[in-house]
Amino acid sequence: NAGVTQTPKFRVLKTGQSMTLLCAQDMNHEYMYWYRQDPGMGLRLIHYSVGEGTTAKGEVPDGYNVSRLKKQNFLLGLESAAPSQTSVYFCASTYRGPPDTQYFGPGTRLTVL
Amino acid sequence: GESVGLHLPTLSVQEGDNSIINCAYSNSASDYFIWYKQESGKGPQFIIDIRSNMDKRQGQRVTVLLNKTVKHLSLQIAATQPGDSAVYFCAGREFNKFYFGSGTKLNVKP
Repeated sequence: NAGVTQTPKFRVLKTGQSMTLLCAQDMNHEYMYWYRQDPGMGLRLIHYSVGEGTTAKGEVPDGYNVSRLKKQNFLLGLESAAPSQTSVYFCASTYRGPPDTQYFGPGTRLTVL
Repeated sequence: GESVGLHLPTLSVQEGDNSIINCAYSNSASDYFIWYKQESGKGPQFIIDIRSNMDKRQGQRVTVLLNKTVKHLSLQIAATQPGDSAVYFCAGREFNKFYFGSGTKLNVKP
């Protein structure tokens, strides 16, 4: 049981490049979330999903897209990366959504030059 | 929306002492709260949670207190150990989303 895993762990992009971050969970959780964490700030919700095939916007969705084609995977895409998207990205999942506990992945550190 | 914040950015305590980390929230609709511990370079780790119909909940060496009147919750760590050094932050639930505080860094001095 690996819990929540994220790939890659680190990535450096140039402005305008695109990439996809992968989150996978093996706990049969329904809800999955993508957050970004910036220095001195709390985690901010980018997008989330309440089940396979569904997605919804969070607090800071602009510049990101997501897909949940399989229950165990939640992908976060950056179509045209900007320096403002330099951050640490965390994925989380819960069994049925709040109030159940969120389990977090180890994070992806993204730098956009 | 939810606004969750912390009173102190850094807290230094002596090993063996008790630690108290505070958190304030602004939305009375928040009905569930979680405390997380985050070590450097790692993802947040669940410590303890509490529902809004409770005032206190205890775990192993940790206690969370919730005061709905003043919209405040605290995390108490008993007999703080060096391994407790980390950033601690609270999260409050509003509808289907969690809102997170920026965190308090706990430094445990040997």
